[in-house]
Amino acid sequence: EPEVTQTPSHQVTQMGQEVILRCVPISNHLYFYWYRQILGQKVEFLVSFYNNEISEKSEIFDDQFSVERPDGSNFTLKIRSTKLEDSAMYFCASGISGNTIYFGEGSWLTVV
Amino acid sequence: KNEVEQSPQNLTAQEGEFITINCSYSVGISALHWLQQHPGGGIVSLFMLSSGKKKHGRLIATINIQEKHSSLHITASHPRDSAVYICAVSPNYGGSQGNLIFGKGTKLSVKP
Repeated sequence: EPEVTQTPSHQVTQMGQEVILRCVPISNHLYFYWYRQILGQKVEFLVSFYNNEISEKSEIFDDQFSVERPDGSNFTLKIRSTKLEDSAMYFCASGISGNTIYFGEGSWLTVV
Repeated sequence: KNEVEQSPQNLTAQEGEFITINCSYSVGISALHWLQQHPGGGIVSLFMLSSGKKKHGRLIATINIQEKHSSLHITASHPRDSAVYICAVSPNYGGSQGNLIFGKGTKLSVKP
């Protein structure tokens, strides 16, 4: 069964460093998403991406965040200057309009 | 006020029991998702509903749009069903389908 894959599964980074989280969505999907889940809290929407541009973003997705689809397969989330409060599980997901959204296994980010 | 409320927060059942998890929401929606978050943290989509009822194996999901309520039922529960079950809604204000509002989840533990 096709799946969304994410790398790395876990990353530890120093505060202030840049981090790139990578995702390979399901190949025929057109809509791509990032979510985050701070430990012990509920999942929160960050951003949706369609047709090579951001279609919607939440208040959390401020100027330190950016997304990119650099080639036909990868979808990346960049955090420019990490803060302690960016420590969370980040989920990538993809979908086709009006259908189920498929989630990856998540990338744990720990900022120290 | 939480826009998506789940009950119960925690649920312990004996193997074989019939389980019901409830979700109430306060916004107009285009779809409701039931998700399973397994102990490793990854998320699996179980159902996407916009009306009526869906069944997959031992899982049944129902939604009542007028009452803004959905239920997830598990028949003949098994220890491998132990996970956090999350309800998430797509608000129908015209935003992207992936801009989901998540509930806090219901932690289910099924004892052998």
